[in-house]
Amino acid sequence: DAMVIQNPRYQVTQFGKPVTLSCSQTLNHNVMYWYQQKSSQAPKLLFHYYDKDFNNEADTPDNFQSRRPNTSFCFLDIRSPGLGDAAMYLCATSREAGPTDTQYFGPGTRLTVL
Amino acid sequence: DAKTTQPNSMESNEEEPVHLPCNHSTISGTDYIHWYRQLPSQGPEYVIHGLTSNVNNRMASLAIAEDRKSSTLILHRATLRDAAVYYCILSEGGGSNYKLTFGKGTLLTVNP
Repeated sequence: DAMVIQNPRYQVTQFGKPVTLSCSQTLNHNVMYWYQQKSSQAPKLLFHYYDKDFNNEADTPDNFQSRRPNTSFCFLDIRSPGLGDAAMYLCATSREAGPTDTQYFGPGTRLTVL
Repeated sequence: DAKTTQPNSMESNEEEPVHLPCNHSTISGTDYIHWYRQLPSQGPEYVIHGLTSNVNNRMASLAIAEDRKSSTLILHRATLRDAAVYYCILSEGGGSNYKLTFGKGTLLTVNP
């Protein structure tokens, strides 16, 4: 029944070592989002794809990039993780990008940077 | 930036109603009011949304003030499983600019 799947649930990487987080969806939704949630903070939108159109938030660090090879999959690449990038990374989807569209979240991937 | 204001925390007893307030005094005419909640160690989940009229679904009710500058999420009978952070969010933009900007939310504690 899982609709938004994130793998792995826990990821440990070393300072400066590139890491990729993955997200897949079975909902066939057009929009996929990546959020960063640091401890005791609210989720913060990093970027999203509307179909193949990529939309980056203005304050998303250049260190963070994303790929969406097809409708079902979306990846978050962190090129050179720093200690400050340790967080929960949440993937979400929505059918469209309208003001009434519900976002469906995955369980998140908790990233630890050593 | 988030345009909503919520209390940091609230406490309720099991099987009692809970009223979670949210202020959004700068809301524009086209902004929808969304509520999501995040249970411990999980991703957020949708609760309810509305524009002007009060809304009900199987999870909760949403009461929207006539001037739309505030709203209240109502859980009719709180259970232990309702303990979560509740986020009141205004949807902004449209098309490629549509997004939800999460505020700090309200941590709801439910006592047995």
